[in-house]
Amino acid sequence: AQKITQTQPGMFVQEKEAVTLDCTYDTSDQSYGLFWYKQPSSGEMIFLIYQGSYDEQNATEGRYSLNFQKARKSANLVISASQLGDSAMYFCAMREDQGAQKLVFGQGTRLTINP
Amino acid sequence: GAGVSQTPSNKVTEKGKYVELRCDPISGHTALYWYRQSLGQGPEFLIYFQGTGAADDSGLPNDRFFAVRPEGSVSTLKIQRTERGDSAVYLCASRAPAYNSPLHFGNGTRLTVT
Repeated sequence: AQKITQTQPGMFVQEKEAVTLDCTYDTSDQSYGLFWYKQPSSGEMIFLIYQGSYDEQNATEGRYSLNFQKARKSANLVISASQLGDSAMYFCAMREDQGAQKLVFGQGTRLTINP
Repeated sequence: GAGVSQTPSNKVTEKGKYVELRCDPISGHTALYWYRQSLGQGPEFLIYFQGTGAADDSGLPNDRFFAVRPEGSVSTLKIQRTERGDSAVYLCASRAPAYNSPLHFGNGTRLTVT
């Protein structure tokens, strides 16, 4: 069974600093996808970034990048130049590439950006 | 374009009552998912539809939970004989057919069973 582990319940960062949110995963599948979602206090789940297991380059989307280390089974999210609006819950998720392609989520990390 | 729409946004019901939660996916998205999110937790998978059929219902906690998608678009999650432990946010998501498409989530329905 697939499992996602996020070991940081909470992170506090000064505005404009970079922050890394940790995510490790466990799977026996060779083909899978890794996602990060942001959930502000309003409750909506916002897709941030995707990394496929066969992608050789780390994914980037604006200020977001995914530090993918396949051998270590880690998929950390890096946010550069943090902003106050980045304060939210962040969830790492894995998608099975067969069947339902459902996402399995981690417990989340609450990120707080201090001015 | 319009995103995933869920109604109601909030639902308060008494223990033992029946509730229906509605999800209207993004137009053209054939895949639809229901998730449940308890306070302080990540979303947990309940059921997946591809078109009209429930292709994977392995996450439904028991037979009090049921979902339908009769015309391959709108879906309804039905909970019978609600219990206080059913209180949670119920999230619906849809996905475009293209490979690697992300799930797009609605704002959820917050269910409170008193």
